[in-house]
Amino acid sequence: AQSVTQLGSHVSVSEGALVLLRCNYSSSVPPYLFWYVQYPNQGLQLLLKYTTGATLVKGINGFEAEFKKSETSFHLTKPSAHMSDAAEYFCAVNPSGGGADGLTFGKGTHLIIQP
Amino acid sequence: NAGVTQTPKFQVLKTGQSMTLQCAQDMNHEYMSWYRQDPGMGLRLIHYSVGAGITDQGEVPNGYNVSRSTTEDFPLRLLSAAPSQTSVYFCASRGVRYEQYFGPGTRLTVT
Repeated sequence: AQSVTQLGSHVSVSEGALVLLRCNYSSSVPPYLFWYVQYPNQGLQLLLKYTTGATLVKGINGFEAEFKKSETSFHLTKPSAHMSDAAEYFCAVNPSGGGADGLTFGKGTHLIIQP
Repeated sequence: NAGVTQTPKFQVLKTGQSMTLQCAQDMNHEYMSWYRQDPGMGLRLIHYSVGAGITDQGEVPNGYNVSRSTTEDFPLRLLSAAPSQTSVYFCASRGVRYEQYFGPGTRLTVT
């Protein structure tokens, strides 16, 4: 069965520091991969996605992620954290590519930004 | 475009009561889905639909029913509410580039 593992339920970084949120997945076929952000009491907003093509994908708000097939990883990074980045981040996979079986989500990482 | 809308925003039910969570989208997306979000669990797929008249079960379908009579609407029915169904429910629709657009959520408490 497919699964998504996000390492660290809470990650704390200083404002201006590098943000690195880790995501590993298991899938028997090339997956489609997503990162979503959720601000308190709101729905989920798509940050970026990987479907095919270039393995380094850029998203909104300065975030980017790299698909590494050999490591089954899709880590999210941002060079310089801003206070407004404090939120819950979810990695998700559609394990059958564009199939109809929905998204499998990781359990989320709460990003804390220290002033 | 309003995107994906959900009503109500909040709901309190007693055990055994039934209710319908409404979801609508105005993006003409064929694919729609329902998720529940519980602390420390991420989001889990309840039911999904690939078009009007077609629905299927996700990871946690028990206790929920869905139907899809139009492209725009995808209601979720709780047949007999249980405390284990206390959760935040999100409806989503999927675009042609496979990104999913989420509604603002319905926070449900079952006492």
